[in-house]
Amino acid sequence: DAGVTQSPTHLIKTRGQQVTLRCSPISGHKSVSWYQQVLGQGPQFIFQYYEKEERGRGNFPDRFSARQFPNYSSELNVNALLLGDSALYLCASSLATGGYSPLHFGNGTRLTVT
Amino acid sequence: QKEVEQDPGPLSVPEGAIVSLNCTYSNSAFQYFMWYRQYSRKGPELLMYTYSSGNKEDGRFTAQVDKSSKYISLFIRDSQPSDSATYLCAMSVNNDMRFGAGTRLTVKP
Repeated sequence: DAGVTQSPTHLIKTRGQQVTLRCSPISGHKSVSWYQQVLGQGPQFIFQYYEKEERGRGNFPDRFSARQFPNYSSELNVNALLLGDSALYLCASSLATGGYSPLHFGNGTRLTVT
Repeated sequence: QKEVEQDPGPLSVPEGAIVSLNCTYSNSAFQYFMWYRQYSRKGPELLMYTYSSGNKEDGRFTAQVDKSSKYISLFIRDSQPSDSATYLCAMSVNNDMRFGAGTRLTVKP
């Protein structure tokens, strides 16, 4: 079975630009979460979606937005990029929301902002 | 004080050693506890998932949770060079999941 797939794998953008990251969850998983991982740190929660509805939002500015599609895939958008947005962006899927449904991560999109 | 504390290491051990990785946390509401392994340039891979205090064993891996002390551990027996990776502890309550910073482990042949 295919795991969580993310695209693109790498991306280089300049400050002020906008970026869209994409994620396809494991088949049968209805929840998608987005995390930001800065080098040397653990993942930080950005968003969680379940059945196309936002179920949670982390402490990130409004420049970050996301959505989930009817096929449960998801996009993360970041506007007005800053140098500090450079990080590995991880998508995770789970059967449902709630801690009893563990997260399964993709390999991430490495974003570099210059 | 961070909500989840994890010693970043690095930790270097010889092949065959027993490895002990630990995390402490401050939020007593956490109910679910996980360990993830992350290889360089890869996403985290779920290793162990536990609920409440106690031990859980899976092959060479044992996860231990002590909720009274707010302390979780991961033990790796007969460590192999392929175990070289960063190990992240994670814990959650409802939809709120928090990760430690990760411990970088190197197992030398």
